[in-house]
Amino acid sequence: EVQLVQSGAEVKKPGESLKISCKASGYSFTSYWIGWVRQMPGKGLEWMGIIYPGDSDTRYSPSFQGQVTISADKSISTAYLQWSSLKASDTAIYYCGGGPSPTVFDYWGQGTRVTVSS
Amino acid sequence: EIVLTQSPGTLSLSPGERATLSCRASQSVSSNYLAWYQQKPGQAPRLLIYGASSKATGIPDRFSGSGSGTDFTLTISRLEPEDFAVYYCQQSGRSPPWTFGQGTKVEVK
Repeated sequence: EVQLVQSGAEVKKPGESLKISCKASGYSFTSYWIGWVRQMPGKGLEWMGIIYPGDSDTRYSPSFQGQVTISADKSISTAYLQWSSLKASDTAIYYCGGGPSPTVFDYWGQGTRVTVSS
Repeated sequence: EIVLTQSPGTLSLSPGERATLSCRASQSVSSNYLAWYQQKPGQAPRLLIYGASSKATGIPDRFSGSGSGTDFTLTISRLEPEDFAVYYCQQSGRSPPWTFGQGTKVEVK
């Protein structure tokens, strides 16, 4: 059974750094794409970017390019989303999603709630 | 960037009724790379339809997708209580970003 299990909720201050994770199981980690989706409070879904762990091919939405970094560690079947300097506007739930195609999220993590507040 | 506009914003229907949700793209979506997702409160989205009309694994027959080019539709033939949720379309055209529509909420009338 394919599972994506995300790290727990985070509460951070503006300017702090953060790295959240998405651990995959039930399939060959290097053969599926994993992407990240933001959902701000009470809002819709926003596509942030995606990575293919097999060769680290990474693509970003222009809205998020330079604001976040997507990476993956094949040795532990885990994808990451990280910020170097958080803003209050980064407060949201972040979902990882994945599947054999980069164009569709067949499987989803449970979401990680990130709260940024002074 | 391709913009997806979903309508209506909210659909108020009763169980057993038919739901028709629309998703319009600002440019043609290549090779029908159009997907639909369902999201219930407090849950992650779930894939319903991909390739505009192919059902994902385990999705009931009452869900169907259609359309091409710039106009796509998700139809729920007879609403069950568990179908009241928010539905998003997503396009995956030639290059990222592969954007979502703003969502349609199907609520109990």
